[in-house]
Amino acid sequence: GAVVSQHPSWVICKSGTSVKIECRSLDFQATTMFWYRQFPKQSLMLMATSNEGSKATYEQGVEKDKFLINHASLTLSTLTVTSAHPEDSSFYICSAISLGDIQYFGAGTRLSVL
Amino acid sequence: GNSVTQMEGPVTLSEEAFLTINCTYTATGYPSLFWYVQYPGEGLQLLLKATKADDKGSNKGFEATYRKETTSFHLEKGSVQVSDSAVYFCALKDNNNDMRFGAGTRLTVKP
Repeated sequence: GAVVSQHPSWVICKSGTSVKIECRSLDFQATTMFWYRQFPKQSLMLMATSNEGSKATYEQGVEKDKFLINHASLTLSTLTVTSAHPEDSSFYICSAISLGDIQYFGAGTRLSVL
Repeated sequence: GNSVTQMEGPVTLSEEAFLTINCTYTATGYPSLFWYVQYPGEGLQLLLKATKADDKGSNKGFEATYRKETTSFHLEKGSVQVSDSAVYFCALKDNNNDMRFGAGTRLTVKP
């Protein structure tokens, strides 16, 4: 079946640095990818919708200058957490929609900001 | 706004026990409803879905029926196995393609 690869699976960084997370659809082209964030013991929250070739659409309350999303190709979207702070520590998950309108998820990235 | 509320975990069952994980939703219009499963170390996978009222989604022995009158989509399985141990997420997709997830319920099945 379709696979979405997310990298890295775990990253630790110092406060003030930037971290890039990649999301790739391995065997299908995805014009739309989504980025989610999951706080401990809480729901997955949609952060933004990433569309290939255009600017991402951010959910209310999500800082677009802090969470930079680039959907450079039909198989790759990246999320960059700029100037990360401890409160950005979380579990980030991407997903991609196939032509069959099925949403496939990456394994997630655990970000720890020290 | 649209939201999903699911049963808090963790849930611990013995093998062959009956499983129910409750899920209710709030939404305008006619959302599609989903159950996703996340096995340890893996990404979320679609388990089953239902796109309209009274539809029943089923897969791998799991079932859930879209009940509009009670705005519910409870997940059931008649006889769980150790391999069913995972985190289960109830979700809805609205007419704008936006997904909303429940908080997830961790299921542990003991032999």
